[in-house]
Amino acid sequence: GENVEQHPSTLSVQEGDSAVIKCTYSDSASNYFPWYKQELGKGPQLIIDIRSNVGEKKDQRIAVTLNKTAKHFSLHITETQPEDSAVYFCAASRETGGFKTIFGAGTRLFVKA
Amino acid sequence: SAVISQKPSRDICQRGTSLTIQCQVDSQVTMMFWYRQQPGQSLTLIATANQGSEATYESGFVIDKFPISRPNLTFSTLTVSNMSPEDSSIYLCSVPSGQGVQTQYFGPGTRLLVL
Repeated sequence: GENVEQHPSTLSVQEGDSAVIKCTYSDSASNYFPWYKQELGKGPQLIIDIRSNVGEKKDQRIAVTLNKTAKHFSLHITETQPEDSAVYFCAASRETGGFKTIFGAGTRLFVKA
Repeated sequence: SAVISQKPSRDICQRGTSLTIQCQVDSQVTMMFWYRQQPGQSLTLIATANQGSEATYESGFVIDKFPISRPNLTFSTLTVSNMSPEDSSIYLCSVPSGQGVQTQYFGPGTRLLVL
């Protein structure tokens, strides 16, 4: 079946450094790739997304890149801050053919002040 | 964006009992989803609840264990029946954004501990 692999499972960075989380998907029909941030005690919240007709998207300190050929997509956070500490989930889905989103296993990011 | 609330926010239950979790959305939505997030794990879809029809369950989840109600377009309940410690998880409801992409809004979750 379809799956999404996410690495690393845990990431610790110094405040101000960059953080990169990588995901690989298996379903070649996937065309929408959201990233969710889950803070302690809360539900996941969308932080950025990318569609398959775009290679890169930025929103302030956050960027996402997509390599359709390799079925890879990555989240880049620059100038990390302690409030970036959370669990991040990547996901892959199709925009047609039924609503089904496959989530990665999650990356626990620690930003040390 | 949709605002989703869940009740209870957390509970501690004895094995063999059942717990009903409520999910309320501030707008009308056709589809509502129920997820399970086991400790330190990712999100696993339990079922999709459409108003006026039976819920659609994912492989590994059955109606007898996780009965779902969807009485109207803003509300749904998930019951965890005959609980065991393995049911200790966070249960999340979510709704699609409805803007042509498969973005989801999630509720805050219900943290369940079964003793």
